[in-house]
Amino acid sequence: QVHLQESGPGLVRSSQTLSLTCTVSGVSISSGGYFWSWIRQSPGKSLEWIGYIYYNGKTYYNPSLKSRVSISLDTSRSLFSLSLRSVTAADTAVYYCAREVTRSSAYFFDVWGQGSLVTVSS
Amino acid sequence: EIVLTQSPATLSLSPGERATLSCRASQDVSTLLAWYQQKPGQPPRLLIYDASIRAAGIPARFSGRGSGTDFTLTISSLEPEDFATYYCQQRLSYLTFGGGTKVDIK
Repeated sequence: QVHLQESGPGLVRSSQTLSLTCTVSGVSISSGGYFWSWIRQSPGKSLEWIGYIYYNGKTYYNPSLKSRVSISLDTSRSLFSLSLRSVTAADTAVYYCAREVTRSSAYFFDVWGQGSLVTVSS
Repeated sequence: EIVLTQSPATLSLSPGERATLSCRASQDVSTLLAWYQQKPGQPPRLLIYDASIRAAGIPARFSGRGSGTDFTLTISSLEPEDFATYYCQQRLSYLTFGGGTKVDIK
């Protein structure tokens, strides 16, 4: 059974860097066919895709966040990480890691972490 | 950016009733659309992908249809556990989600 678990600080100071890790179990993170993603949800709001990393290290980011985001992969520890620089109160959200699957040209998120609430304080 | 507009924002229905949720894309996304259900304090759960294919373990009362710019998620007869918020998501150009439709108990 595939399991994803987010970890990281729940409180980040404004203008600092938000860093989260997603530990993956039950599947090899270096397998092709999966996009390892970060998605966030501000309180009471909808979902916003942040970006993803493919098994070969190639990354794709939401254009609205691209200048501040980095996603990296550590296959030896079976985890991938998010770094979001220069945060403001608008970055306060629940951050989810998720696995996106591609199947016969369709794409979908089939496994999600439980989410990690990150609050940006001034 | 492809914008997904979901309607209505809130749908108030009783158990046993039929729910029809709409998702409209700002441009043609073919069938690259998925639907998710989210309950408070939980991550989203995949219901439908490729516009009309039910995910593993999803009850047959959930169905999706559409292509291009207009999509519908139908719940044929609401069960108590179906009261939740539903999101559509496109994957043609980068990735975006709709604003959600909350299905609550009338």
